[in-house]
Amino acid sequence: QQQVKQSPQSLIVQKGGISIINCAYENTAFDYFPWYQQFPGKGPALLIAIRPDVSEKKEGRFTISFNKSAKQFSLHIMDSQPGDSATYFCAGGDDKIIFGKGTRLHILP
Amino acid sequence: KAGVTQTPRYLIKTRGQQVTLSCSPISGHRSVSWYQQTPGQGLQFLFEYFSETQRNKGNFPGRFSGRQFSNSRSEMNVSTLELGDSALYLCASSMKVGYGYTFGSGTRLTVV
Repeated sequence: QQQVKQSPQSLIVQKGGISIINCAYENTAFDYFPWYQQFPGKGPALLIAIRPDVSEKKEGRFTISFNKSAKQFSLHIMDSQPGDSATYFCAGGDDKIIFGKGTRLHILP
Repeated sequence: KAGVTQTPRYLIKTRGQQVTLSCSPISGHRSVSWYQQTPGQGLQFLFEYFSETQRNKGNFPGRFSGRQFSNSRSEMNVSTLELGDSALYLCASSMKVGYGYTFGSGTRLTVV
């Protein structure tokens, strides 16, 4: 069922730096690519999402870059803050949403 | 606006028993999906219901089943529990199938 591959598994970034998480998908039927953020003890929360007809979407400090031909997409977190420390999941969806295995992000204060 | 409510938050069961988990979606959401989250496998899709009909099912054995009621509330059942069923079970609701999921905080199931 693993149709979305996510890397790295864990990431440490200095405060103020750029955090980058990459994902690759296999299913060309996917038409919706969300990113979720999960804090310990909580369920995942939708952070930002993109459709494959656009190459980039920006919301505040969070940007998704999408490369349809390569079947890859990435999340960039600009000016990373300690409060961004969480696990991030990319996903692809058509009639259901399939998640990557997650990236544990730690921002050093 | 109330979020997705899952009950109970924690459960401890013995191997061989069965368990039922409950999920109340956001008002107006007709789609409910269930996921199993473990450290090794991440978030794995169990099944999705829309208007009381199962629309999709993941690659889990038949011991895992679910249903959805006319008020969109959903239950998930696991029979003959195994140690490997220990996980966080997450429910998500949305207005449309496969889009815009809002997750609950999950039910932490421990099988001993």
